[in-house]
Amino acid sequence: SQQGEEDPQALSIQEGENATMNCSYKTSINNLQWYRQNSGRGLVHLILIRSNEREKHSGRLRVTLDTSKKSSSLLITASRAADTASYFCATGKGTGKLIFGQGTTLQVKP
Amino acid sequence: DAGVIQSPRHEVTEMGQEVTLRCKPISGHNSLFWYRQTMMRGLELLIYFNNNVPIDDSGMPEDRFSAKMPNASFSTLKIQPSEPRDSAVYFCASSPQRGDLQETQYFGPGTRLLVL
Repeated sequence: SQQGEEDPQALSIQEGENATMNCSYKTSINNLQWYRQNSGRGLVHLILIRSNEREKHSGRLRVTLDTSKKSSSLLITASRAADTASYFCATGKGTGKLIFGQGTTLQVKP
Repeated sequence: DAGVIQSPRHEVTEMGQEVTLRCKPISGHNSLFWYRQTMMRGLELLIYFNNNVPIDDSGMPEDRFSAKMPNASFSTLKIQPSEPRDSAVYFCASSPQRGDLQETQYFGPGTRLLVL
């Protein structure tokens, strides 16, 4: 069964708005990662947050992690049309193996 | 620096035929992963290798699927015989598994397989 579950499944916003996606997981983790997939392409790593971290930033991305609630959120600020893609969370336990969620499809309208 | 290379990018075959997908990981990466992605099941891990040794093949659907990694720069995923339900996009990913990049995976462009 999938470890990570993203919410919402689909999100449509206007360019310039912020987009927030959530991920919940079931068991203890070593780290949680977010990946982006453009249509017809492979996944691209965006950001990794470790289990002892609560918040991390990378450019317009902000990731939070709440291990007590087993959840994470990805915030994309000032969205652009080029941010249109599917976003996946993935959990790692330090074994090398990642478990991916089903993804959130984000559409940013120009 | 080349990323993960997969071939072919597209494959159309008939049911019962053998299909071989190929992957060249990023040089220096010591872990390699094969995934399958479909609309219904999402992204599924099929098998992964560490230092050319299969570590976890619990995701391999059945005996029709096999994977090999004869050296650090090449891996194959074979389906024999293929069935229509094998139609999917197959991704290969590699990971350096060290330091700050631990467990970060780098994906290839995928092979889109259609079995008629």
